[in-house]
Amino acid sequence: QVQLVESGGGGVQPGRSLRLSCTASGFISSSYAMQWVRQAPGKGLEWVAYISYDGSNKYYAESVKGRFTISRDNPKNTLYLQMDSLRTEDTAVYYCVRYNYGSGSYRWFDPWGQGTLVTVSS
Amino acid sequence: DIQLTQSPSFLSASVGDRVTITCRASQDISSYLAWYEQKQGKAPKLLIYAASTLLSGVPSRFSGSGSGTEFTLTINTLQPEDFATYYCQQLSTYPITFGQGTRLDIK
Repeated sequence: QVQLVESGGGGVQPGRSLRLSCTASGFISSSYAMQWVRQAPGKGLEWVAYISYDGSNKYYAESVKGRFTISRDNPKNTLYLQMDSLRTEDTAVYYCVRYNYGSGSYRWFDPWGQGTLVTVSS
Repeated sequence: DIQLTQSPSFLSASVGDRVTITCRASQDISSYLAWYEQKQGKAPKLLIYAASTLLSGVPSRFSGSGSGTEFTLTINTLQPEDFATYYCQQLSTYPITFGQGTRLDIK
Protein backbone atom coordinates (compact mmCIF):
# COMPACT_ATOMS: atom_id res chain seq x y z
CA GLN A 1 0.00 0.00 0.00
CA VAL A 2 1.45 3.34 -1.06
CA GLN A 3 1.60 5.58 1.98
CA LEU A 4 3.17 8.79 3.26
CA VAL A 5 3.28 9.55 6.97
CA GLU A 6 4.34 12.96 8.29
CA SER A 7 5.64 13.68 11.77
CA GLY A 8 7.37 16.43 13.69
CA GLY A 9 4.64 19.03 13.89
CA GLY A 10 3.77 20.87 17.07
CA GLY A 11 3.75 24.23 18.78
CA VAL A 12 6.72 26.56 18.52
CA GLN A 13 7.47 30.20 19.25
CA PRO A 14 8.14 32.71 16.49
CA GLY A 15 11.77 32.74 15.40
CA ARG A 16 12.35 29.15 16.44
CA SER A 17 12.94 26.07 14.28
CA LEU A 18 11.18 22.80 13.59
CA ARG A 19 11.93 19.83 11.35
CA LEU A 20 9.19 17.83 9.69
CA SER A 21 9.69 14.29 8.46
CA CYS A 22 7.74 12.24 5.94
CA THR A 23 8.26 8.50 5.69
CA ALA A 24 7.30 6.73 2.50
CA SER A 25 6.26 3.11 2.15
CA GLY A 26 4.81 0.86 -0.53
CA PHE A 27 6.86 2.34 -3.38
CA ILE A 28 10.45 3.08 -4.34
CA SER A 29 10.63 6.63 -3.03
CA SER A 30 14.08 7.20 -4.52
CA SER A 31 12.47 7.09 -7.96
CA TYR A 32 10.13 10.00 -7.30
CA ALA A 33 10.38 13.72 -6.78
CA MET A 34 8.57 14.87 -3.66
CA GLN A 35 6.91 18.07 -2.56
CA TRP A 36 5.50 19.84 0.51
CA VAL A 37 2.16 21.63 0.49
CA ARG A 38 0.61 23.52 3.42
CA GLN A 39 -2.83 24.69 4.42
CA ALA A 40 -3.40 27.43 6.98
CA PRO A 41 -6.46 26.95 9.22
CA GLY A 42 -9.61 27.54 7.20
CA LYS A 43 -7.63 28.50 4.10
CA GLY A 44 -6.69 26.98 0.76
CA LEU A 45 -3.70 24.97 -0.37
CA GLU A 46 -0.26 26.54 -0.79
CA TRP A 47 2.68 24.83 -2.47
CA VAL A 48 5.85 25.08 -0.34
CA ALA A 49 8.79 23.17 -1.81
CA TYR A 50 9.98 20.60 -4.35
CA ILE A 51 12.91 18.19 -4.39
CA SER A 52 14.00 15.99 -7.27
CA TYR A 53 14.29 12.22 -6.91
CA ASP A 54 18.00 12.43 -6.13
CA GLY A 55 17.96 15.70 -4.20
CA SER A 56 19.93 17.59 -6.83
CA ASN A 57 17.20 20.11 -7.62
CA LYS A 58 15.08 22.08 -5.19
CA TYR A 59 12.49 24.83 -5.59
CA TYR A 60 10.78 26.95 -2.94
CA ALA A 61 7.82 29.24 -2.64
CA GLU A 62 8.87 32.87 -2.20
CA SER A 63 7.14 32.94 1.18
CA VAL A 64 9.58 30.37 2.62
CA LYS A 65 12.72 30.87 0.52
CA GLY A 66 15.79 31.35 2.69
CA ARG A 67 14.02 30.03 5.80
CA PHE A 68 12.93 26.50 4.85
CA THR A 69 15.11 23.70 3.48
CA ILE A 70 13.79 20.57 1.80
CA SER A 71 15.97 17.45 1.83
CA ARG A 72 15.70 13.70 1.59
CA ASP A 73 17.43 10.54 2.79
CA ASN A 74 16.64 7.94 0.16
CA PRO A 75 18.07 4.91 2.00
CA LYS A 76 15.70 5.81 4.85
CA ASN A 77 12.76 6.55 2.50
CA THR A 78 12.36 9.85 4.32
CA LEU A 79 11.67 13.41 3.22
CA TYR A 80 12.40 16.39 5.45
CA LEU A 81 11.41 20.01 5.78
CA GLN A 82 13.69 22.08 8.00
CA MET A 83 11.82 25.22 9.02
CA ASP A 84 13.86 28.04 10.53
CA SER A 85 12.92 31.57 11.59
CA LEU A 86 9.31 30.52 11.87
CA ARG A 87 6.60 33.15 11.69
CA THR A 88 3.01 33.15 12.88
CA GLU A 89 1.91 33.03 9.24
CA ASP A 90 3.65 29.63 8.87
CA THR A 91 0.93 28.10 11.06
CA ALA A 92 -0.62 25.38 8.92
CA VAL A 93 -1.10 21.70 8.30
CA TYR A 94 1.88 20.52 6.26
CA TYR A 95 1.39 17.71 3.75
CA CYS A 96 4.05 15.75 1.94
CA VAL A 97 3.10 14.52 -1.51
CA ARG A 98 4.58 12.32 -4.17
CA TYR A 99 5.10 14.07 -7.50
CA ASN A 100 4.19 11.94 -10.50
CA TYR A 101 5.01 12.93 -14.05
CA GLY A 102 5.09 11.32 -17.46
CA SER A 103 5.12 12.40 -21.06
CA GLY A 104 3.12 15.41 -22.16
CA SER A 105 1.04 17.11 -19.51
CA TYR A 106 0.87 14.11 -17.20
CA ARG A 107 1.85 15.60 -13.86
CA TRP A 108 0.06 15.21 -10.56
CA PHE A 109 0.34 15.01 -6.77
CA ASP A 110 -0.60 11.62 -5.38
CA PRO A 111 -0.69 10.29 -2.75
CA TRP A 112 -0.81 12.87 0.03
CA GLY A 113 0.18 12.22 3.61
CA GLN A 114 -2.32 12.78 6.40
CA GLY A 115 -0.64 16.06 7.33
CA THR A 116 1.05 17.39 10.45
CA LEU A 117 0.01 20.60 12.20
CA VAL A 118 2.55 23.31 12.89
CA THR A 119 1.44 26.11 15.21
CA VAL A 120 3.67 29.16 15.52
CA SER A 121 2.60 31.30 18.44
CA SER A 122 4.08 33.20 21.35
CA ASP B 1 3.15 33.49 -10.84
CA ILE B 2 0.18 31.85 -12.55
CA GLN B 3 -3.10 32.73 -10.84
CA LEU B 4 -5.98 30.26 -10.83
CA THR B 5 -9.48 31.57 -10.23
CA GLN B 6 -12.26 29.13 -9.46
CA SER B 7 -15.94 29.91 -9.82
CA PRO B 8 -18.10 29.73 -7.96
CA SER B 9 -16.39 29.80 -4.56
CA PHE B 10 -19.50 28.33 -2.96
CA LEU B 11 -22.08 26.05 -4.50
CA SER B 12 -25.22 24.61 -3.00
CA ALA B 13 -26.75 21.58 -4.71
CA SER B 14 -28.90 18.53 -4.08
CA VAL B 15 -28.20 14.82 -4.35
CA GLY B 16 -28.73 13.81 -7.98
CA ASP B 17 -27.85 17.24 -9.40
CA ARG B 18 -25.20 17.93 -12.01
CA VAL B 19 -22.67 20.62 -11.09
CA THR B 20 -19.86 22.35 -12.94
CA ILE B 21 -16.89 24.18 -11.44
CA THR B 22 -14.74 26.46 -13.58
CA CYS B 23 -11.03 27.17 -13.17
CA ARG B 24 -9.43 30.01 -15.13
CA ALA B 25 -5.68 30.46 -15.42
CA SER B 26 -3.99 33.84 -15.78
CA GLN B 27 -1.92 32.47 -18.65
CA ASP B 28 -1.81 29.47 -20.96
CA ILE B 29 -1.04 26.28 -19.04
CA SER B 30 -1.84 23.85 -21.85
CA SER B 31 -3.33 20.80 -20.09
CA TYR B 32 -1.14 20.93 -16.98
CA LEU B 33 -4.11 21.01 -14.65
CA ALA B 34 -5.28 18.71 -11.88
CA TRP B 35 -8.39 18.61 -9.70
CA TYR B 36 -8.51 17.55 -6.04
CA GLU B 37 -11.29 16.84 -3.57
CA GLN B 38 -10.86 17.63 0.10
CA LYS B 39 -13.22 16.64 2.88
CA GLN B 40 -13.24 18.35 6.23
CA GLY B 41 -10.20 17.44 8.31
CA LYS B 42 -8.73 15.19 5.61
CA ALA B 43 -5.92 15.45 3.09
CA PRO B 44 -6.80 16.34 -0.49
CA LYS B 45 -7.32 13.48 -2.92
CA LEU B 46 -6.53 13.55 -6.62
CA LEU B 47 -9.47 13.20 -8.97
CA ILE B 48 -8.26 14.27 -12.41
CA TYR B 49 -4.91 15.12 -13.98
CA ALA B 50 -3.83 16.40 -17.39
CA ALA B 51 -7.12 18.33 -17.38
CA SER B 52 -9.29 15.36 -18.33
CA THR B 53 -7.67 12.07 -17.23
CA LEU B 54 -9.59 10.41 -14.44
CA LEU B 55 -7.44 8.76 -11.78
CA SER B 56 -8.03 5.03 -11.60
CA GLY B 57 -10.68 4.27 -9.03
CA VAL B 58 -12.39 7.66 -9.19
CA PRO B 59 -16.10 7.33 -10.07
CA SER B 60 -17.00 8.05 -13.67
CA ARG B 61 -19.52 10.72 -12.62
CA PHE B 62 -16.48 13.01 -12.33
CA SER B 63 -15.10 14.48 -15.54
CA GLY B 64 -12.75 17.28 -16.52
CA SER B 65 -12.25 19.29 -19.67
CA GLY B 66 -10.46 22.30 -21.05
CA SER B 67 -7.04 23.48 -22.10
CA GLY B 68 -5.13 26.72 -22.27
CA THR B 69 -6.72 29.02 -19.73
CA GLU B 70 -10.20 27.64 -19.08
CA PHE B 71 -11.04 24.35 -17.42
CA THR B 72 -14.09 22.69 -15.93
CA LEU B 73 -14.81 19.94 -13.43
CA THR B 74 -18.23 18.36 -13.80
CA ILE B 75 -19.89 16.03 -11.34
CA ASN B 76 -22.90 14.18 -12.71
CA THR B 77 -25.57 12.79 -10.40
CA LEU B 78 -24.20 14.14 -7.13
CA GLN B 79 -23.83 11.59 -4.37
CA PRO B 80 -23.87 12.37 -0.62
CA GLU B 81 -20.13 11.69 -0.39
CA ASP B 82 -19.36 14.36 -3.04
CA PHE B 83 -20.07 17.28 -0.73
CA ALA B 84 -16.59 18.62 -0.16
CA THR B 85 -14.21 21.35 -1.28
CA TYR B 86 -12.65 21.11 -4.74
CA TYR B 87 -9.35 22.65 -5.84
CA CYS B 88 -7.74 23.05 -9.23
CA GLN B 89 -3.95 23.10 -9.50
CA GLN B 90 -1.58 24.14 -12.27
CA LEU B 91 1.62 22.15 -12.77
CA SER B 92 2.87 24.02 -15.83
CA THR B 93 5.51 26.14 -14.11
CA TYR B 94 6.90 26.81 -10.65
CA PRO B 95 5.64 28.05 -8.34
CA ILE B 96 2.87 25.48 -8.57
CA THR B 97 -0.38 27.19 -7.65
CA PHE B 98 -3.88 26.20 -6.59
CA GLY B 99 -7.25 27.79 -7.08
CA GLN B 100 -8.90 29.23 -3.99
CA GLY B 101 -11.30 26.29 -3.76
CA THR B 102 -14.98 25.67 -4.36
CA ARG B 103 -17.02 24.50 -1.42
CA LEU B 104 -19.91 22.26 -2.44
CA ASP B 105 -22.67 22.09 0.17
CA ILE B 106 -25.90 20.18 0.40
CA LYS B 107 -28.95 22.29 -0.40
